[in-house]
Amino acid sequence: GIQVEQSPPDLILQEGANSTLRCNFSDSVNNLQWFHQNPWGQLINLFYIPSGTKQNGRLSATTVATERYSLLYISSSQTTDSGVYFCAAPKAGANSKLTFGKGITLSVRP
Amino acid sequence: DSGVTQTPKHLITATGQRVTLRCSPRSGDLSVYWYQQSLDQGLQFLIQYYNGEERAKGNILERFSAQQFPDLHSELNLSSLELGDSALYFCASGGSGVETQYFGPGTRLLVL
Repeated sequence: GIQVEQSPPDLILQEGANSTLRCNFSDSVNNLQWFHQNPWGQLINLFYIPSGTKQNGRLSATTVATERYSLLYISSSQTTDSGVYFCAAPKAGANSKLTFGKGITLSVRP
Repeated sequence: DSGVTQTPKHLITATGQRVTLRCSPRSGDLSVYWYQQSLDQGLQFLIQYYNGEERAKGNILERFSAQQFPDLHSELNLSSLELGDSALYFCASGGSGVETQYFGPGTRLLVL
C-alpha cells in the first residue's frame, strides 16, 4: 500500500513564529487531507488538497502531486495551534480509505 | 462540528467483553469509515461501508465486525476484548469517491 511519511516528528515553537510541516507519499494520490488533532483527541479537517495551494487564515497548504509531497504552513503560531498534525491520503485508483502518516507533534510556547 | 456523531464518548470495560460503538454520518453522506488510533499502531483504517454494503476492509480483526443500517448509521462491534484493543475509535463519513472525509469526535475505549 501507499506509505505516508511526515517530518519533522516534533516541533517546538515560540508563539508568533512560522513553521512548515512536510508530508511525503510514496505513490500517486487523488486526495490528500491535513488534520489537526487537538489535546482532547478530536480530529479537525484543515485542508482537502489533492493538488495546488489553499489558504485558510493563518494556515495554508500546498500539494505537488507530481513530486509526491505536501506542505502545511502555519504563520504567526498561537498556543491553540498545539497538537498533532496528520496528513492522510488514499492511493490513486484504489479505494478511498485514508492512510495516515505518524503525525507531527507541535508545541507552541507562550 | 463535523456533523458526524459517535456514541458513546468513553467506554470502560473488562477483557473478554463485547461492546458496540455507534456512528451517524453527516446528512447526505453514504459512506462510513471506521479507523482505530492506538499508541503503537497510529491511525489505521478498519472498514468502509457504502450505502449499506461493505466496500473495503483494512486491518480489522476477526473479533471485530461492523454493519451499516438502512438509515445509514453504522455500528462497530468489538468482541472478546483484549487489553490491546484499548484505543480511540473514529468514524468518518464521506461520499462515493475520494472526497473529503469528515471525522466524528471518537469513542475512547479502555479495556481493563
